[in-house]
Amino acid sequence: EVQLAESGGGLVKPGGSLRLSCAASGFTFSSYSMNWVRQAPGKGLEWVSSISSSSSYIDYADSVKGRFTISRDNAKNSLYLQMNSLRADDTAVYFCARVKFGEGTFDYWGQGTLVTVSS
Amino acid sequence: EIVMTQSPATLSVSPGERATLSCRASQSVSSNLAWYQQKPGQAPRLLMYGAFIRATGIPARFSGSGSGTEFTLTISILQSEDFAVYYCQQYNDWPPYTFGQGTKLEI
Repeated sequence: EVQLAESGGGLVKPGGSLRLSCAASGFTFSSYSMNWVRQAPGKGLEWVSSISSSSSYIDYADSVKGRFTISRDNAKNSLYLQMNSLRADDTAVYFCARVKFGEGTFDYWGQGTLVTVSS
Repeated sequence: EIVMTQSPATLSVSPGERATLSCRASQSVSSNLAWYQQKPGQAPRLLMYGAFIRATGIPARFSGSGSGTEFTLTISILQSEDFAVYYCQQYNDWPPYTFGQGTKLEI
């Protein structure tokens, strides 16, 4: 069974940093591209970042470019999101999501971890 | 960036009825369009991809249609568990992947 489990969320002050993790199981993690998607309270879905299976391709939404860094450790079946210079508008539930093989859509999602940026 | 627009924002229907949700892209996304269902406190669940292909385990009462810029998700006979928020997403031209703002399906 495919499982994705995020961790690392919490309360952080504006300007602070946080590192999110996503532990993957039930599939060959090293074969799949992965993404982070966020959802502000009561709002819709916003794509944040993508990383290819070998980390050779990485991209970010303009709203986080220069502040967030996506990475992965295929040996540990883990995906990460380093978030620096956090702002109030980064407050959201952050989901990790797997890219469906051969497609560009997201076939499995974790349950999400809440990041709250507030003083 | 491709902008995805969903309508209506809220759709009020009764169990047993048919629901039709719309999604429009600001430019052609071919058939690279997905639909997701999200219930309160849960992660989104993939329903459809390739505009009309049901994801694994999705019941046949869900169907998708369209190509280019106009897409429709139809739920033929609404069940109580279908009341949720539905999002469309284009993956034809990324980054960025873009989502619609959602349609809330309510009783």
